[in-house]
Amino acid sequence: NAGVMQNPRHLVRRRGQEARLRCSPMKGHSHVYWYRQLPEEGLKFMVYLQKENIIDESGMPKERFSAEFPKEGPSILRIQQVVRGDSAAYFCASSPGFGGETQYFGPGTRLLVL
Amino acid sequence: DAKTTQPPSMDCAEGRAANLPCNHSTISGNEYVYWYRQIHSQGPQYIIHGLKNNETNEMASLIITEDRKSSTLILPHATLRDTAVYYCIVRFILTGGGNKLTFGTGTQLKVEL
Repeated sequence: NAGVMQNPRHLVRRRGQEARLRCSPMKGHSHVYWYRQLPEEGLKFMVYLQKENIIDESGMPKERFSAEFPKEGPSILRIQQVVRGDSAAYFCASSPGFGGETQYFGPGTRLLVL
Repeated sequence: DAKTTQPPSMDCAEGRAANLPCNHSTISGNEYVYWYRQIHSQGPQYIIHGLKNNETNEMASLIITEDRKSSTLILPHATLRDTAVYYCIVRFILTGGGNKLTFGTGTQLKVEL
């Protein structure tokens, strides 16, 4: 049973470019969460999505960041016009939804903005 | 979610039990205690969770005090691979759906020979 998959594992972007991070939840999971971990800091919640719906985006920066979880395909975290402060590890987690809410994490995407 | 307090670091000899404490004195009756660990910047790994009763699985045991104001994660026979940051998280679970995990600073466990 494959776990949560994230790609790419490492991403390098120059300031002003766009970054797209993908997350495929575990099989049978319909809930996806994105977290960000800045260097030497703990994980911070960004957004919680179910299929085609954003449930809680209280941790998302107001500008340049967006997330989606379409009916088909992976969840996407999109960062437009990246800045150096966006350099971090971005982790995706998934949970089954009804009846089982333990979140299982992927290996993360390390974003480096030059 | 209730705030948790953990010691910043602990050491443990390989083969010994590692007992990691967590205080959550403001926990409410329907909040669960979750434990995750993060090994050197990898994705957090789920360990165990509980509500009132003590729990055990293949990885660890979770002991929750009767008043639920504190808990202890026990790794019965620590190995070098258990060196990681351990996070204790108190979390309210919404009916029919989940909600976010609030990570604190955790406990850096170092297992040594």
